[in-house]
Amino acid sequence: DTGVSQNPRHKITKRGQNVTFRCDPISEHNRLYWYRQTLGQGPEFLTYFQNEAQLEKSRLLSDRFSAERPKGSFSTLEIQRTEQGDSAMYLCASSPTGVYYGYTFGSGTRLTVV
Amino acid sequence: AQTVTQSQPEMSVQEAETVTLSCTYDTSENNYYLFWYKQPPSRQMILVIRQEAYKQQNATENRFSVNFQKAAKSFSLKISDSQLGDTAMYFCAFDVGDSNYQLIWGAGTKLIIKP
Repeated sequence: DTGVSQNPRHKITKRGQNVTFRCDPISEHNRLYWYRQTLGQGPEFLTYFQNEAQLEKSRLLSDRFSAERPKGSFSTLEIQRTEQGDSAMYLCASSPTGVYYGYTFGSGTRLTVV
Repeated sequence: AQTVTQSQPEMSVQEAETVTLSCTYDTSENNYYLFWYKQPPSRQMILVIRQEAYKQQNATENRFSVNFQKAAKSFSLKISDSQLGDTAMYFCAFDVGDSNYQLIWGAGTKLIIKP
């Protein structure tokens, strides 16, 4: 297992379009997290899964955002009707049960909405 | 509100010098974990070091060590014998103790190691 994989690395889209990102976590990790990072800031929590169950969502995750993790494997994050304010780096991370073990991050997907 | 403050937006030191990055946090929890993560330019975030709040002994990982002052809610990172590869953004973070799923992050310190 080579770590957490995110695709695509970069996405440029026009305002109003839908986009979907994919994250493949480390296979033994049952927890998967999505964070958003804007320039000059630390990551902001969006949502997390334990296996296939989405257990928590941030209020940052508006109705235009949806995340899934079918069968507790890979996860997708979809943004509908993108806005310029959605431009950011979207980070995926996975961990064994518990924050203590630390996250393993993917390289992120950089979204630019024009 | 639980917050993390990194008061140094940017620092630069010469290679082989020692540098200390500061971090303060605010929480009403008694048990929690603290972390330093490193994000090199255009590369993924990686865990540098972690500390359990109930342990008085400061964590150490090779050239990286922390100075954890629980009463002062301070968690600084010391990098000894700095190397060019240490150039990165450094983020301080702590978990939301009772939830055990979310990290609260500081805004980061950009560290530049000069040859």
